[in-house]
Order: sequence, then C-alpha cells, then structure tokens
Amino acid sequence: DAMVIQNPRYQVTQFGKPVTLSCSQTLNHNVMYWYQQKSSQAPKLLFHYYDKDFNNEADTPDNFQSRRPNTSFCFLDIRSPGLGDAAMYLCATSRATGTGNPTNEKLFFGSGTQLSVL
Amino acid sequence: AQSVTQPDIHITVSEGASLELRCNYSYGATPYLFWYVQSPGQGLQLLLKYFSGDTLVQGIKGFEAEFKRSQSSFNLRKPSVHWSDAAEYFCAVVNQGGKLIFGQGTELSVKP
Repeated sequence: DAMVIQNPRYQVTQFGKPVTLSCSQTLNHNVMYWYQQKSSQAPKLLFHYYDKDFNNEADTPDNFQSRRPNTSFCFLDIRSPGLGDAAMYLCATSRATGTGNPTNEKLFFGSGTQLSVL
Repeated sequence: AQSVTQPDIHITVSEGASLELRCNYSYGATPYLFWYVQSPGQGLQLLLKYFSGDTLVQGIKGFEAEFKRSQSSFNLRKPSVHWSDAAEYFCAVVNQGGKLIFGQGTELSVKP
C-alpha cells in the first residue's frame, strides 16, 4: 500500500504558467519534505514542514512555495516555472522524535512527479 | 560543512558477483549515515542507516554497510548481486541542521 502518494506522476506545464504538485501521506508523520532532483543529480532539499512550521532552505528560489493545509497533505507551488525547473520532485515524510533533528528518523519517499516545462 | 562523496558515478558488475559502492563523508562529530536506492523513475527507498553502535549495519535486500571512522567511509556491500539490483544508489548524511545531504549517486548496472 502506497504510504506517500504524489500526484500527478507526470506533469507538463508551459513556461511561466503556475503549477501545483501534490503529496499526501497515510503515515501520520509530522514532517514533510520537498526535494528537487534534476537529471543524473542528487536530490536537493527545497523546504520542509515540521508540523505547521515551514522551513525554507536558504538557496531555494522564491519561485517555489509550499502549503500544508493539514497533516496529510502538502503542496509544492511553482509560481512561474522556467525551463531550468524541469526535474523530478520528490515528497518525503518522517516522524520527528522531538530531538530537534527530524531527519534522524527514516524518510519515506513518494514515487515523485516528473515535471516538464515547455 | 558536512558533505558526502561517492567517487564512482557508474559501476557495472556481473550478476552473482560481489558489489562494493564507496561513500566518504565529511563531518566533525559522529555522523548519521544512510544508503538509499532509487529505481528508474521512482522515489528513494532506505536500504540501511547508521547512528551508533555496531559499525557493520545490515539492511534490506541483502545489503550491508560498514562505518569506518578512520577512513571517513560508509561503503555499501552485497555478496552476490541480482539483476534487480540495477538502480541508482545514494549515500547520505544528516548535517548539523538536521537535514539530509545526499551524495551525487552511483549508478549500478548488472550484466548477465
């Protein structure tokens, strides 16, 4: 049974047209992450939510935003996609134990959304 | 800053042969280390992790890894590779901010 679900599997958008990627989880984990993975590169953390607290990475462009309306769902909004934003976007979750290091716990990844920008 | 280096971009092994994927880390204290596997077009799956204790860690799918502080290494091994092991393998370390930092990955090909 899928535990971290990303929709859609493939997304095509136009240059400059806003796009939203979705992630849902059935694990009731309190931490959710968004990673960007370009072709043949390592995943790069964009931001994460620790419960409702949003944590943006310093080098994440302003073009990328995120929303977490409840525990189960998290969205990645790309306001004006450029050609360089074409990538696989991976959602992941973990259960923080309160030690202050959420990634000490195992991350569960979704299958990703492959974004193409035309 | 914490970092992870995977020296081998691509490795090819014969089915049934042994495998070792290299990972070197840079971290001042005892690191939290992970190995993930990614099949084509899929998300990442955790193979194993090291936090403390026994330096030889057993994971899923017959993989193991050994933490060697003196060499700053956390190499992944498997005694006999199966064709289904062909995938991308990522070593990762948790940095001081609690974030998971991935290496650049090693692509494994398995030939019959």
